[in-house]
Amino acid sequence: GAGVSQSPSNKVTEKGKDVELRCDPISGHTALYWYRQSLGQGLEFLIYFQGNSAPDKSGLPSDRFSAERTGGSVSTLTIQRTQQEDSAVYLCASSLAAGTTEAFFGQGTRLTVV
Amino acid sequence: GENVEQHPSTLSVQEGDSAVIKCTYSDSASNYFPWYKQELGKRPQLIIDIRSNVGEKKDQRIAVTLNKTAKHFSLHITETQPEDSAVYFCAASRGLTGGGNKLTFGTGTQLKVEL
Repeated sequence: GAGVSQSPSNKVTEKGKDVELRCDPISGHTALYWYRQSLGQGLEFLIYFQGNSAPDKSGLPSDRFSAERTGGSVSTLTIQRTQQEDSAVYLCASSLAAGTTEAFFGQGTRLTVV
Repeated sequence: GENVEQHPSTLSVQEGDSAVIKCTYSDSASNYFPWYKQELGKRPQLIIDIRSNVGEKKDQRIAVTLNKTAKHFSLHITETQPEDSAVYFCAASRGLTGGGNKLTFGTGTQLKVEL
């Protein structure tokens, strides 16, 4: 596609439910990142995929968070047993590892846990 | 891992004045330093970047300087305009060498350009 696409744009879920957030990176981009941005705050790193290498999961805040990237393309971020503090905008970005490292962001998924 | 600090957290300038935002990083292996602008309700977008083989880069009213010895880099915006009002994030990564290109961001600077 022309850019990074994320779905859904908005998600309201009840506390304790599981949610899945999807990211479609730019075709050919081998690097894919997930960040979390709480209201008025910075970009908190969650997880990073680079090609076929093991992902860097160092930013995941708890074992309720997991992510996978199938076939080196689409990625899904899963949050189990959601808590109110999980409410935030979840941003996905991708970059072309070979030759440039500019990261292109998706529009984000606004998650609200009620 | 890398740690990026950014100052100030908020910055208010008069239209036409210059604005400077500063960042420091901890990982001496970092060699790629992008700056992103995030307007209210929108996604972050790259405005300028610099690699460690140069000390300064300029693009119209925006410039970035890098001091590898001191491990700090700065964003300079001249002749500020109201449309420059946004949150600016600096970032650092190792680029294509040793460790991939994980991007670590600073905490952001809210720039307000007043008429």
